[in-house]
Amino acid sequence: EVQLVESGGGLVQPGGSLRVSCEASGFAFSTHWMSWVRQAPGKGLEWVANINQDGSQKYYVDSVKGRFTLSRDNAKNSLYLQMNSLRADDTAVYYCARDGRDAGIYFDSWGQGALVTVSS
Amino acid sequence: DIQMTQSPSTLSASVGDRVTITCRASQTISNWLAWYQQKPGKAPNLLIYKASTLESGVPSRFSGSGSGTEFTLTISSLQPDDFATYYCQEYNSYSPLTFGGGTKVEIK
Repeated sequence: EVQLVESGGGLVQPGGSLRVSCEASGFAFSTHWMSWVRQAPGKGLEWVANINQDGSQKYYVDSVKGRFTLSRDNAKNSLYLQMNSLRADDTAVYYCARDGRDAGIYFDSWGQGALVTVSS
Repeated sequence: DIQMTQSPSTLSASVGDRVTITCRASQTISNWLAWYQQKPGKAPNLLIYKASTLESGVPSRFSGSGSGTEFTLTISSLQPDDFATYYCQEYNSYSPLTFGGGTKVEIK
C-alpha cells in the first residue's frame, strides 16, 4: 500500500524557517517525480514545487522561489521542503504528492498533510 | 502561465442528478488534465487523468471529456458520497502546474 506521511509542520513567526518532511513507503520512491501542494485555510489547491527522480530537476511556483528549497533522499525514501523567510500567506496545509504512472505530472497519491501556521 | 477556470464555483444538486462541471484552460493543453475530489479535512483523491481515463477504483459514474481548452467532469447519477469539492489540474509541462479554483457540490 502506498503511504506518504508528512511531518514537521507547526507554528512559526514571520521571517522564520521550518522544514517539512515526507516519508514514503509501499512503492519504488526513486522512480517517481514528487511534489508539494498546499492549501490555505478555506482556499483551493496550489502546486508549490516538484522534483524529478534523481533530484537534478526542481521547479517552484513563483511566490516561493528563492525562499523554499526542495530536496529528496532516495536512500531514506524521503522528500523535504525547507521553507525560509516565511510569510503569513504561506500558512497552509502542505501535502506531499506522488506523480501518476502515466505521462505527465498529476497526483495519484497524497499524504494526510502537514499544517504550517505563520503568525506572531 | 496557464490559467484554469472552473465553473460553477458552487453547485446544488440532489441524489440521482446528473452533474457536469466545466474547466477551461487559458491556452491549449491537449488532454493533459486531471480531476480530483476532496472532502473536508481530507487530502484530494484522483478521479480522472489524461482528460478521460478513469483512475483505478473510481466508480464508473464519474467520466471526463474534452481536449484543447474545454473539459468536463460528469457524474451520471449523484450519490450521497459524492458531495465534495472537485478540482481540475493541468499538467501541460513540468512547471508551473495549475489547479482550477474548485467546484463545491452541495445537497439541494
